[in-house]
Amino acid sequence: EPEVTQTPSHQVTQMGQEVILRCVPISNHLYFYWYRQILGQKVEFLVSFYNNEISEKSEIFDDQFSVERPDGSNFTLKIRSTKLEDSAMYFCASTRGLSTYNEQFFGPGTRLTVL
Amino acid sequence: AQTVTQSQPEMSVQEAETVTLSCTYDTSESDYYLFWYKQPPSRQMILVIRQEAYKQQNATENRFSVNFQKAAKSFSLKISDSQLGDAAMYFCAYRDDKIIFGKGTRLHILP
Repeated sequence: EPEVTQTPSHQVTQMGQEVILRCVPISNHLYFYWYRQILGQKVEFLVSFYNNEISEKSEIFDDQFSVERPDGSNFTLKIRSTKLEDSAMYFCASTRGLSTYNEQFFGPGTRLTVL
Repeated sequence: AQTVTQSQPEMSVQEAETVTLSCTYDTSESDYYLFWYKQPPSRQMILVIRQEAYKQQNATENRFSVNFQKAAKSFSLKISDSQLGDAAMYFCAYRDDKIIFGKGTRLHILP
């Protein structure tokens, strides 16, 4: 069964460093998402991406964040200068279509620890 | 804006018993999807069950079923014959392109 994959599973970085989180969505999916879950809190929407541009972003998704689909398979989330409060689990998701009928499939997540 | 509220931060149930997790939501839309996700200690998000708002019939998936009350904007999850493997964080969620999650209910299964 096709699945969304994410690498790395765990990333440790120093405050102020840049990190890139990688996701490989399901191959025939067209819409991509990043969500964030700070430990002990709810999962929050960061950004949605379609047709090589951002469709919607939350207030969390400030200028420190960017997303890119550099090739036909990867979907990346970059944090330019990490802060302690960026420590969280980051989930990528993809779906075939925008209709609410289409299920969003989640990846296993990347745990980001900022020291 | 749509919101999802889970008022039970934690719940416990005896193994083999039935437990119901509560969820309410707010939306002005008439057609939407609601979900329950399970998040075990591995923190993977696992879809448990989903409900289409235009369907009056409550969704069921084996031991999991929902009580969907559209007018009341209520969407509770019932787990029958609880098993130790059901212990996890459960998130109620609403889909409006992006998914909006509740704060979660941590479910403990007592042997």
